[in-house]
Amino acid sequence: NAGVTQTPKFQVLKTGQSMTLQCAQDMNHEYMSWYRQDPGMGLRLIHYSVGAGITDQGEVPNGYNVSRSTTEDFPLRLLSAAPSQTSVYFCASSRLDEQFFGPGTRLTVL
Amino acid sequence: SQQGEEDPQALSIQEGENATMNCSYKTSINNLQWYRQNSGRGLVHLILIRSNEREKHSGRLRVTLDTSKKSSSLLITASRAADTASYFCATDANTGNQFYFGTGTSLTVIP
Repeated sequence: NAGVTQTPKFQVLKTGQSMTLQCAQDMNHEYMSWYRQDPGMGLRLIHYSVGAGITDQGEVPNGYNVSRSTTEDFPLRLLSAAPSQTSVYFCASSRLDEQFFGPGTRLTVL
Repeated sequence: SQQGEEDPQALSIQEGENATMNCSYKTSINNLQWYRQNSGRGLVHLILIRSNEREKHSGRLRVTLDTSKKSSSLLITASRAADTASYFCATDANTGNQFYFGTGTSLTVIP
């Protein structure tokens, strides 16, 4: 099992550009989520999904879109990147309560 | 606002000593979890304690939960240099599907 994979590992964007962060899991977990982690802060929930076709907003959803067409994939879309979205993004999946995290995507918006 | 707050923000101890870190949260919960994050890596689940439990052990880890005070503590006994990492508590705020993380405790174990 690869667990939770994220691509890319690093990305630099210019303000206003859009992009999609990819997340995939091979554990057949129903629950998936996206977090951002900023220096000196814990993780903040952006969006989450409790199954294919079902998504909902977390704590900081503005500027981000998600969709869940399959159990395996949960991409995060930045619609129009802003410097405030510079952060490390983590995807996670879980079947019950324990979450399994991907290695993260370090995003810089100039 | 974030659900949990860890204390202390940073902790430095000698190898072999015990490390204790605390977590306070704001609303009622179903469970509380502790995670470890090594520098530049994703988080790894350590232990989960449910709201009806008061104490739980896993190897060198001991977690306590006091729901009346809305607080939890994580004790790492006989620390090792490999325990150097940031430690986060996470709660579900009684939602069951939304998890809120604290700001973390940065632990340094000096060999």
